[in-house]
Amino acid sequence: QVQLQESGPGLVKPSETLSLTCTVSGGSISGYYWSWIRQPPGKGLEWIGYIYYSGSTNYNPSLKSRVTISLDTSKNQFSLKLSSVTAADTAVYYCARAVGGRAVAGLAHWGQGTLVTVSS
Amino acid sequence: DIQMTQSPFTLSASVGDRVTITCRASQSISAWLAWYQQKPGKAPKLLIYDASTLASGVPSRFSGSASGTEFTLTISSLQPDDFATYYCQQYNSYSTFGQGTKVEIK
Repeated sequence: QVQLQESGPGLVKPSETLSLTCTVSGGSISGYYWSWIRQPPGKGLEWIGYIYYSGSTNYNPSLKSRVTISLDTSKNQFSLKLSSVTAADTAVYYCARAVGGRAVAGLAHWGQGTLVTVSS
Repeated sequence: DIQMTQSPFTLSASVGDRVTITCRASQSISAWLAWYQQKPGKAPKLLIYDASTLASGVPSRFSGSASGTEFTLTISSLQPDDFATYYCQQYNSYSTFGQGTKVEIK
């Protein structure tokens, strides 16, 4: 059973870049799409974007100018970078994978989530 | 971009009740919709995808249906483990989630 685990700093200063990594175990990164989703405290879910194992990406238009998702197949990891952060970017960040070989259709596998706070 | 409007925002129900949650898309999304259950402090759990396909391991009391741009999640007989927040997600164009519906104990 595939498992995902987010890691990275829990505190980021305003205007800096948020960087998170998702480590995939129990399966290969190859053949799948890998997503990032976030959830501000007490609020709903927001899809950030995904990367295909080939390296192609698709981002939420509202975040596109600040988001980069990349992958390291040798480490079975994929990463999120969000630049120029503000307090509005404070959220629990999740990595996830959809069913089968789908992009974001049915996100069946999720990490436990990691809280990132933007504060000076 | 496609907006997803869920209703109700909060729902009070008792064990054994039949519960229905609705999600309306701002434009056609075909059947490209999923439903999730989320409990406090936990990641969302996939219940339904492609509007009506039950995810692996999900009890059969959960079902999904679609009519045009209106989508419905039904719990046929609410169980104690079902008290949670439910989200819909469209994936026809990029992806957006509904605002969530909290199912509370009546």
